[in-house]
Amino acid sequence: EAGVAQSPRYKIIEKRQSVAFWCNPISGHATLYWYQQILGQGPKLLIQFQNNGVVDDSQLPKDRFSAERLKGVDSTLKIQPAKLEDSAVYLCASTARANEKLFFGSGTQLSVL
Amino acid sequence: GENVEQHPSTLSVQEGDSAVIKCTYSDSASNYFPWYKQELGKRPQLIIDIRSNVGEKKDQRIAVTLNKTAKHFSLHITETQPEDSAVYFCAAANSGSRLTFGEGTQLTVNP
Repeated sequence: EAGVAQSPRYKIIEKRQSVAFWCNPISGHATLYWYQQILGQGPKLLIQFQNNGVVDDSQLPKDRFSAERLKGVDSTLKIQPAKLEDSAVYLCASTARANEKLFFGSGTQLSVL
Repeated sequence: GENVEQHPSTLSVQEGDSAVIKCTYSDSASNYFPWYKQELGKRPQLIIDIRSNVGEKKDQRIAVTLNKTAKHFSLHITETQPEDSAVYFCAAANSGSRLTFGEGTQLTVNP
């Protein structure tokens, strides 16, 4: 089966600039997650969608991060304005149901200079 | 919320030896415990998972044990091979909630 697609693979921006990431989950997967993985740490959940509704965004820095999944399929994550500490890999993942096997995309490696 | 602690942060073994990684969790309602392997520059890949109604699960050289009373679970890799070298993450979740990851263990298998 096709995996979780993410783009871009790499992104380099300067602080205070904006950036957007795109994710297309596995077909039929209702639950979509965005994780932030800082170098040397475990993935940290930013936001969880169930279809096009937000289930959990308690760890999303809402003053600068936003995410949407308008049609319940693909999703975008935006950072505006970016800070140096946002440098990380942003992983998208999907699953058919919560607490089932999580399939990760290849991630977007963001460097904020 | 859930808090997952993982030990050790680094582990070096000789090829053929066993490796054990341990995790503890804080939320007694957690009932799903997966383990992920992440090679350098690649995505995390699920290697084994266990649910709270099971105490142990094996898949070839990999096994996971769960002690719900003590709120800890462990990954056991036997007959380690150089290709087992990677970062391993444990995680925990309860029904419908976020998957909380540990900080990872860098496993190095020396030939």
